Amino acid sequence: DTAVSQTPKYLVTQMGNDKSIKCEQNLGHDTMYWYKQDSKKFLKIMFSYNNKELIINETVPNRFSPKSPDKAHLNLHINSLELGDSAVYFCASSQDPGQGYEQYFGPGTRLTVT
Amino acid sequence: AQKITQTQPGMFVQEKEAVTLDCTYDTSDPSYGLFWYKQPSSGEMIFLIYQGSYDQQNATEGRYSLNFQKARKSANLVISASQLGDSAMYFCAIQGTSGTYKYIFGTGTRLKVLA
Repeated sequence: DTAVSQTPKYLVTQMGNDKSIKCEQNLGHDTMYWYKQDSKKFLKIMFSYNNKELIINETVPNRFSPKSPDKAHLNLHINSLELGDSAVYFCASSQDPGQGYEQYFGPGTRLTVT
Repeated sequence: AQKITQTQPGMFVQEKEAVTLDCTYDTSDPSYGLFWYKQPSSGEMIFLIYQGSYDQQNATEGRYSLNFQKARKSANLVISASQLGDSAMYFCAIQGTSGTYKYIFGTGTRLKVLA
């Protein structure tokens, strides 16, 4: 059983399109995250939800909108895709948003915008 | 604000040897946590080891140990008895206590284990 799963694994789309990435965790964790890893492997937090409440909202274009329908799911919707959005997007979860809790990552979604 | 610096973009190590991956950090938080993650070529991020800033002893997890030197603000990862499967990117991250407890990752070190 996969602890943190993401769909799709690969996403190829054209500029201007809208797309969604879905994430589910079966660990019973309270907190979920979205990260972006660029082509140089730099990993940066985008959003975090704790018990369906947004707790981290980094400086990302408002074309990116997260949505958490319940504790186990955190989706990422991207409007009007741009070339610069091409990256690997990781979902992660942790038991608690506080200090010392490791995060469990999904397999990543490689988004390519053409 | 927190900052993580990994100065070694790439490292090589002979199989069965030990290797140290460097990580230095900067933070104004009195309490913080340091993490190491491994990212193999398959892409997933795997948690390796955690060190709390007030932990008296260096963390160890199997072949992984964290050489924590608080005064020097360093948290180096030591991998003993390297295996071919250790070839991967390794990321150091810091988590502060002020604000949102978010992770700040370093730029990573690519480790290649040679047979």
